[in-house]
Amino acid sequence: GQNIDQPTEMTATEGAIVQINCTYQTSGFNGLFWYQQHAGEAPTFLSYNVLDGLEEKGRFSSFLSRSKGYSYLLLKELQMKDSASYLCAVRDRVDYKLSFGAGTTVTVRA
Amino acid sequence: GAVVSQHPSWVICKSGTSVKIECRSLDFQATTMFWYRQFPKQSLMLMATSNEGSKATYEQGVEKDKFLINHASLTLSTLTVTSAHPEDSSFYICSAHNRNTGELFFGEGSRLTVL
Repeated sequence: GQNIDQPTEMTATEGAIVQINCTYQTSGFNGLFWYQQHAGEAPTFLSYNVLDGLEEKGRFSSFLSRSKGYSYLLLKELQMKDSASYLCAVRDRVDYKLSFGAGTTVTVRA
Repeated sequence: GAVVSQHPSWVICKSGTSVKIECRSLDFQATTMFWYRQFPKQSLMLMATSNEGSKATYEQGVEKDKFLINHASLTLSTLTVTSAHPEDSSFYICSAHNRNTGELFFGEGSRLTVL
């Protein structure tokens, strides 16, 4: 199985940068996902890392180090609409199940 | 636009009735779909893995006779909550795995309220 840890809450100012860290322990790794979830809505896919390195998609970037069991999601030029819960999830190599962290609630303030 | 469609978005039913929720992959074939349940302010809890053409695999503690899953085609999986009770009220979300790209997308979710 997987053991996934991420901070519970983060607060930042509009226009700033925030980095959400995620550490994991897994018996079989097949990719790490980041999702954004607004209250009352389903998660929205942000990024998928299966190899080490940085994946950049506009204002959002995700980094993975498999040897360290570590990933981060970087949110740049924060906007008020970025206030949401960010979920780190690790997929199992054998059964493709996704295990989720508890989520990090990001609050963006003006 | 959405690549995984789920409906209904909202459903209210009486205790004892059954409710069916559909999950469709729109742009790709999904041999594997997953069903999750999420209670307020909690993370997603995997209920079962839906496999096209075979029986679903249920997580520990999830009653397979209560939560019936059918994955009859490569683009459709259904979850039927049988004899629903108020404690089954929750947000149910499906996801579909695109084997070509490795990405996994979620449906829009279905909020079930059992009176």
